Amino acid sequence: GAVVSQHPSRVICKSGTSVKIECRSLDFQATTMFWYRQFPKQSLMLMATSNEGSKATYEQGVEKDKFLINHASLTLSTLTVTSAHPEDSSFYICSATRTSRGDEQFFGPGTRLTVL
Amino acid sequence: GQQVMQIPQYQHVQEGEDFTTYCNSSTTLSNIQWYKQRPGGHPVFLIQLVKSGEVKKQKRLTFQFGEAKKNSSLHITATQTTDVGTYFCAGATNKLIFGTGTLLAVQP
Repeated sequence: GAVVSQHPSRVICKSGTSVKIECRSLDFQATTMFWYRQFPKQSLMLMATSNEGSKATYEQGVEKDKFLINHASLTLSTLTVTSAHPEDSSFYICSATRTSRGDEQFFGPGTRLTVL
Repeated sequence: GQQVMQIPQYQHVQEGEDFTTYCNSSTTLSNIQWYKQRPGGHPVFLIQLVKSGEVKKQKRLTFQFGEAKKNSSLHITATQTTDVGTYFCAGATNKLIFGTGTLLAVQP
């Protein structure tokens, strides 16, 4: 149990376009979903925390108008990278928890974004 | 802001040797979690430690949580090639902050 999927797994786009990434909890209801970004050979950097039905909480330095997060249901959160630029190229990973207690996070397989 | 550092950044061992990675937080944690990420993969949860001084074992892996709840360690006994990957600690306060990670390479 506790499977999280992400779609797409890989996307290549032109500079200036917007890209939407979906994160779904397949067999449980996720109280909270998280979005991380990971550059090559680096750690995971938390971008935002998303709770169903409320506005996402963004980490310092993350532009909320550039990285739009929508958490429409207890099983789906989306991250839209608007007007993508080459420096946005990265590995984007979502995770989900079943509780709000800071317990184990279940990670999706990640989305590798390349902006040309 | 809160920082979680890990040492070493990289460790290369011969198969059968032991391995330890250390994790230090700048702030007191409510719990600490450990994840393993294989090359090209996503982080996979290994364990969570909650109590001060807690020690947990999973087969060849031993996890410790410091008395002050600010540091932790992961020790692998007799490494195998399947242990290859990056090990991250993640400190929990009101959110999860990932450590810098330790990349383990195991030579057969």
